[in-house]
Amino acid sequence: DVVMTQSPLSLPVTLGQPASISCRSSQSLVFSDGDTYLNWFQQRPGQSPRRLIYKVSNRDSGVPDRFSGSGSGTDFTLTISRVEAEDVGIYYCMHSIQWPWTFGQGTKVEIK
Amino acid sequence: EVQLVESGGGFVQPGGSLRLSCAASGFTVSSDFMGWVRQAPGKGLDWVSIISVEDIRYYTSSVKGRFTISRDISKNTLYLQMNSLRDEDTAIYYCAGGRGASWGQGTRVTVSS
Repeated sequence: DVVMTQSPLSLPVTLGQPASISCRSSQSLVFSDGDTYLNWFQQRPGQSPRRLIYKVSNRDSGVPDRFSGSGSGTDFTLTISRVEAEDVGIYYCMHSIQWPWTFGQGTKVEIK
Repeated sequence: EVQLVESGGGFVQPGGSLRLSCAASGFTVSSDFMGWVRQAPGKGLDWVSIISVEDIRYYTSSVKGRFTISRDISKNTLYLQMNSLRDEDTAIYYCAGGRGASWGQGTRVTVSS
């Protein structure tokens, strides 16, 4: 199974400041079609998960442009350019290159 | 607008069965991967099962032989038949479309004696 490792697991941030979450996979997430199947999800307290980013760097519809994804191969990053109060929650990376699809452990973002 | 609405969760004793349903609108259940993700109390997210466009079904190892994923195209609904339920199956079960592009609100399953 592909293991997804996130860091940090807890991220206290100041409103208006940037924040970054790292995700590392135990093997390359480049599929045979040339795409890299790495997604980022946000789960606000008491809510269902919501996909923010697909294929490393593509923002889903309605996702604010302060969220961005980058990386390649086995190393990926989710960046929030200026954290807002509504960004509090747990963020997960996830691969879908082969079964079983797996999530990282989650990174809890909270306001300092 | 894509909407996924789960139902069928509840309280069941170990060894019991439940069938979860996920009614889709704004999206055809046979047009992309669809699946079930669960979240145990206070824990992270885990894919339980997915079904491909070609009707290939995948299961996480802990549910193989006990859970069955299926879809009814005429009803545009995804199902998860869960048999021989165990305490460790207790979780919120989410229906997800695509590779997690869309999610339902979740349905709670509690397995306890």
